[in-house]
Amino acid sequence: GQNIDQPTEMTATEGAIVQINCTYQTSGFNGLFWYQQHAGEAPTFLSYNVLDGLEEKGRFSSFLSRSKGYSYLLLKELQMKDSASYLCAIMDSNYQLIWGAGTKLIIKP
Amino acid sequence: GAVVSQHPSWVICKSGTSVKIECRSLDFQATTMFWYRQFPKQSLMLMATSNEGSKATYEQGVEKDKFLINHASLTLSTLTVTSAHPEDSSFYICSASGGLDYNEQFFGPGTRLTVL
Repeated sequence: GQNIDQPTEMTATEGAIVQINCTYQTSGFNGLFWYQQHAGEAPTFLSYNVLDGLEEKGRFSSFLSRSKGYSYLLLKELQMKDSASYLCAIMDSNYQLIWGAGTKLIIKP
Repeated sequence: GAVVSQHPSWVICKSGTSVKIECRSLDFQATTMFWYRQFPKQSLMLMATSNEGSKATYEQGVEKDKFLINHASLTLSTLTVTSAHPEDSSFYICSASGGLDYNEQFFGPGTRLTVL
């Protein structure tokens, strides 16, 4: 079966660093995506990993280990506007996205 | 970047009526468009995948006669919710992909449907 796991909710402090983990088991793998979704809005693209390793993009970094079925999204220098849900999604062998349930990140001052 | 628009952004309708939602790719040709539904505090649920000029592929459990999808051109797909009922109230989001190396999906802003 297909399964994507990520924590339901996390809390962090403004200015700090937070790591959101995602583990997966899917039929086929054509890449892993991280999306940010603010309440009442559509998801927005953050990152894409298809090879093992770390991809850095400003304050956000994403890591992938295909052998472990594991990824994380690292957010540095947290800002209040980073409060949102973060969705991990796998593109399967049919090039369809399989979505995790999302991690709600709460940033406190 | 690639832009996808959706119209309307929100709609309120009476039970039993039909509602049409449009999804447009504004600056690229979308070979594939996806329709999602998202209930509060839940993840995105894929309803159907449509390729231009062919019939949509519906996910298991999604009634094709109730959720009519038309992908008439490379820039436009429509979702019609027929005979809407209160349980159809949800956030409907379309996404489009086309020609990129990793088939990134670009999302529309979503349509919030409330059926009274």
